[in-house]
Amino acid sequence: DTAVSQTPKYLVTQMGNDKSIKCEQNLGHDTMYWYKQDSKKFLKIMFSYNNKELIINETVPNRFSPKSPDKAHLNLHINSLELGDSAVYFCASSPTGGLAGVQETQYFGPGTRLLVL
Amino acid sequence: AQSVTQLGSHVSVSEGALVLLRCNYSSSVPPYLFWYVQYPNQGLQLLLKYTSAATLVKGINGFEAEFKKSETSFHLTKPSAHMSDAAEYFCAVSEGSTGTASKLTFGTGTRLQVTL
Repeated sequence: DTAVSQTPKYLVTQMGNDKSIKCEQNLGHDTMYWYKQDSKKFLKIMFSYNNKELIINETVPNRFSPKSPDKAHLNLHINSLELGDSAVYFCASSPTGGLAGVQETQYFGPGTRLLVL
Repeated sequence: AQSVTQLGSHVSVSEGALVLLRCNYSSSVPPYLFWYVQYPNQGLQLLLKYTSAATLVKGINGFEAEFKKSETSFHLTKPSAHMSDAAEYFCAVSEGSTGTASKLTFGTGTRLQVTL
């Protein structure tokens, strides 16, 4: 059974296009995240949602808009794609986001490899 | 603010040799520390985590890490490397949840190469 799944696995598109990446988790978790991994393998958090509410927004350009229709899904829509958006995007989830001061494990999806030409 | 430094972007060991991947952290509060492994073209898999229960943490696949507060380190070790250990390893730190979300800060990763 897949815990955190992402679609598509690969995405090749032209500059200026709009694209979406979907993420679903069947772990019953309340909190979901989007991370970006650049060409040098550096991983950085972009967004976090808890029960459909935006909690973390790490100075990501407005062209990136996350949407959470329910707590099991967190989609990422990207407008006007740029060359610099080429990266691997990882979705993750954690049980409740944690009691204040407690750190729960985050479970990662397989990643979506985005290439902007 | 929290941060992680992984010394050595690339480590090469012989099969059967000791694996040592270094991680130093910076945190304003007692940290939570993680090691994740990423195999080629795959997502991140949790190897082990430190949550203050014990300073020596054992993980999957024979890996372990020791939390040393005095050295602000959380180095990952394995007594005997196997070819299947070849992957990218990431150290991550968190200062804990705000109650609704938590922020992991990752190091830049160390690529482990295992040779015959």
